[in-house]
Amino acid sequence: DAGVTQSPTHLIKTRGQQVTLRCSPKSGHDTVSWYQQALGQGPQFIFQYYEEEERQRGNFPDRFSGHQFPNYSSELNVNALLLGDSALYLCASSEEGSRTSGRFYEQYFGPGTRLTVT
Amino acid sequence: KNEVEQSPQNLTAQEGEFITINCSYSVGISALHWLQQHPGGGIVSLFMLSSGKKKHGRLIATINIQEKHSSLHITASHPRDSAVYICAVRPMNYGGSQGNLIFGKGTKLSVKP
Repeated sequence: DAGVTQSPTHLIKTRGQQVTLRCSPKSGHDTVSWYQQALGQGPQFIFQYYEEEERQRGNFPDRFSGHQFPNYSSELNVNALLLGDSALYLCASSEEGSRTSGRFYEQYFGPGTRLTVT
Repeated sequence: KNEVEQSPQNLTAQEGEFITINCSYSVGISALHWLQQHPGGGIVSLFMLSSGKKKHGRLIATINIQEKHSSLHITASHPRDSAVYICAVRPMNYGGSQGNLIFGKGTKLSVKP
């Protein structure tokens, strides 16, 4: 089992550009969460996808959007990049299932994508 | 004030020392995670707990729900334990802008040989 994989590992973009980051969840996981980690800070929740829909969203502007595919993999898109978007973007997968189940599952994190905006 | 506070922010220890990292939180939670992050970014989940105590090798995690406090202990520390240790909580009111995990800023541990 490859665990959670992310691509690319590193990325350098210019202000105003758009970027797409990719995540493949751990085998058997159906839920993908995205986090942004600025240097020296803890990760901040961006959004979570389940059944190809955004189920929860953190305090991030609409420039941040995502998608989940039928095979549960996910993309994070950021439009009109700002210098402040430079960060490590982490993807985590879990076997959340239905929110109403009341159960919670451990999240497995990917290695992250380091985005630098110049 | 952050909803999840960790102490200390930085910790330097000699190999073999017993280490304690503390986490306090201010929200009702359904679970607390201890995570390890090495230089380069990858995060590894060490523990997920909602009560009591868990042990894995030289690592021990405890939680006191009433006091909203958790500790991570490392016995017989080793230079390979050097990493950032992050506490994250899952809020009881699962949903909304808090998301499914709220993270502390991390404790940077350096173990010297």
